[in-house]
Amino acid sequence: AQTVTQSQPEMSVQEAETVTLSCTYDTSENNYYLFWYKQPPSRQMILVIRQEAYKQQNATENRFSVNFQKAAKSFSLKISDSQLGDTAMYFCAFMKGDDKIIFGKGTRLHILP
Amino acid sequence: DTGVSQDPRHKITKRGQNVTFRCDPISEHNRLYWYRQTLGQGPEFLTYFQNEAQLEKSRLLSDRFSAERPKGSFSTLEIQRTEQGDSAMYLCASSTLAGANTGELFFGEGSRLTVL
Repeated sequence: AQTVTQSQPEMSVQEAETVTLSCTYDTSENNYYLFWYKQPPSRQMILVIRQEAYKQQNATENRFSVNFQKAAKSFSLKISDSQLGDTAMYFCAFMKGDDKIIFGKGTRLHILP
Repeated sequence: DTGVSQDPRHKITKRGQNVTFRCDPISEHNRLYWYRQTLGQGPEFLTYFQNEAQLEKSRLLSDRFSAERPKGSFSTLEIQRTEQGDSAMYLCASSTLAGANTGELFFGEGSRLTVL
């Protein structure tokens, strides 16, 4: 069975700083997707960034980028120039094929003014 | 486009009562998912539909839980004989088939259940 582990329950950084959220996963699959989803306070969860396992190049979306280490089964999220609106729960997630998405327990990120 | 809507947003009930949640997905989204999220945890998969067919149910979904999507549009999640352990946020998400293949799910704001 696949598992997703986020070892940082909570983090705080100053506005405009860069922050990295960690995630490790376990799978015997070779082809899969990894995601970071964001859940702002009292709002719905949205997809931040997606990485396909067969792609070596790390995905980037504006201020968000990932460091995907397939052999180490590591998938971290870097947020550059953090903004107050980045305050949220961040979930690392895994999916094989078009199966269901499996989420980690989340990291609560506070961006401080 | 109104997004995924869930109703009710909050439900407080007494142990032993039945509750039903409704999810209206984004129009023409074939896939519909139910997840449960307890405090401090990530969403846990419960079940999903492709059109009206229920394709998978988690072992978390005991016999007291039932989900339907009768016409392939909205879905209901019913919990019978509620227990305090059922207290959670119930999240609904939808996607197109293409979106399902790439993990692009659109989530609703959730229905929070409190069982007293």
